[in-house]
Amino acid sequence: AQSVTQLGSHVSVSEGALVLLRCNYSSSVPPYLFWYVQYPNQGLQLLLKYTTGATLVKGINGFEAEFKKSETSFHLTKPSAHMSDAAEYFCAVSAAGGTSYGKLTFGQGTILTVHP
Amino acid sequence: DTAVSQTPKYLVTQMGNDKSIKCEQNLGHDTMYWYKQDSKKFLKIMFSYNNKELIINETVPNRFSPKSPDKAHLNLHINSLELGDSAVYFCASSQLVGPAYNEQFFGPGTRLTVL
Repeated sequence: AQSVTQLGSHVSVSEGALVLLRCNYSSSVPPYLFWYVQYPNQGLQLLLKYTTGATLVKGINGFEAEFKKSETSFHLTKPSAHMSDAAEYFCAVSAAGGTSYGKLTFGQGTILTVHP
Repeated sequence: DTAVSQTPKYLVTQMGNDKSIKCEQNLGHDTMYWYKQDSKKFLKIMFSYNNKELIINETVPNRFSPKSPDKAHLNLHINSLELGDSAVYFCASSQLVGPAYNEQFFGPGTRLTVL
């Protein structure tokens, strides 16, 4: 079984400040981990993913995330927030192959607000 | 050149009616999905089809019936609509082989309102 917990349903930062969105996962098999962004009234867009190999992964729009197996975490960061980053962010986990057939289990989402 | 498209974008209907939502992807992916996003924005998978074969069927009322006429299409038919079916339904697709394993592309969503 898999699950994802996103700590903090709302995060507020000032423009130019560090963005940190927290994600912890639970998986009985090696996980694939994803971050998606959802802008209002739109579908989800993939920001980045971790499969195997390098634990620090870079994504679009300057975001990156680090896979820490010992902490079962996959936190999303961005050094300097832009107003355009305001959106809802979802962390998701998938089993690496096997019988999961691509099933993504999502966290409850974190709304990011960026203040001028 | 939309990757994953859904129709309609909005659907308002009365309780008890039957409705369908259509989804098409032009990415050549082998797997398609339906997700439900409730009013609290929680996303949960409903169904998944791989090469037209149903492979994931979560605990969904049998009033919901997916149909995949080919790899590029996955439609969702809902019978006897209930108030609790009101939500945003997202279609997605991905490839389950290769380096882009399970990078899911989402459609714009269909907002279903049951009155």
